[in-house]
Amino acid sequence: GNSVTQMEGPVTLSEEAFLTINCTYTATGYPSLFWYVQYPGEGLQLLLKATKADDKGSNKGFEATYRKETTSFHLEKGSVQVSDSAVYFCAQRGSGYALNFGKGTSLLVTP
Amino acid sequence: ETGVTQTPRHLVMGMTNKKSLKCEQHLGHNAMYWYKQSAKKPLELMFVYSLEERVENNSVPSRFSPECPNSSHLFLHLHTLQPEDSALYLCASSQDMTTSSTDTQYFGPGTRLTVL
Repeated sequence: GNSVTQMEGPVTLSEEAFLTINCTYTATGYPSLFWYVQYPGEGLQLLLKATKADDKGSNKGFEATYRKETTSFHLEKGSVQVSDSAVYFCAQRGSGYALNFGKGTSLLVTP
Repeated sequence: ETGVTQTPRHLVMGMTNKKSLKCEQHLGHNAMYWYKQSAKKPLELMFVYSLEERVENNSVPSRFSPECPNSSHLFLHLHTLQPEDSALYLCASSQDMTTSSTDTQYFGPGTRLTVL
């Protein structure tokens, strides 16, 4: 079936460090891929998305590229800020109704 | 007004109570969803509505009863819940309830439910 696997957290980085959060997926067909972010006490916010192979989604300095050959959609940011501390969820949507989410990766950025 | 709103933000209820969660979307979307977010588990889709008709029910116990009176409003009626039902309940909406993979879901802030 369709599933998403993302790296376990928590990830702790110093401000201005480079961030990578790994995400891989299994799917039949060609799903769309998403990153959502959840700040403490809040719901999920769409961070970026990509709908076909080789697409790059980007927003607020974050980027992720849809890699069909490695079934991956890793999230990257060149220089993290304290305000980026949150839980990040990778998700896919295929031909069904549901978004299939990973378990989430907690990021803590320290000054 | 923000895109998807949910009330209340926090709810504490006993196992014999009846309560309702409310979701409203201001995005002109046609589809609405209820998800459950429990600690240490991936988000679980509970119900999907398209143009006020329920199109998916993911084996959710009958103590959860959804209602969608129009395309902007979605309710989740709760009765005789169990402590393991304590979770964050998230509402989402999307433009078009087709099975297109590009249809993007937008989430509300959630209701934090505690069942005593």
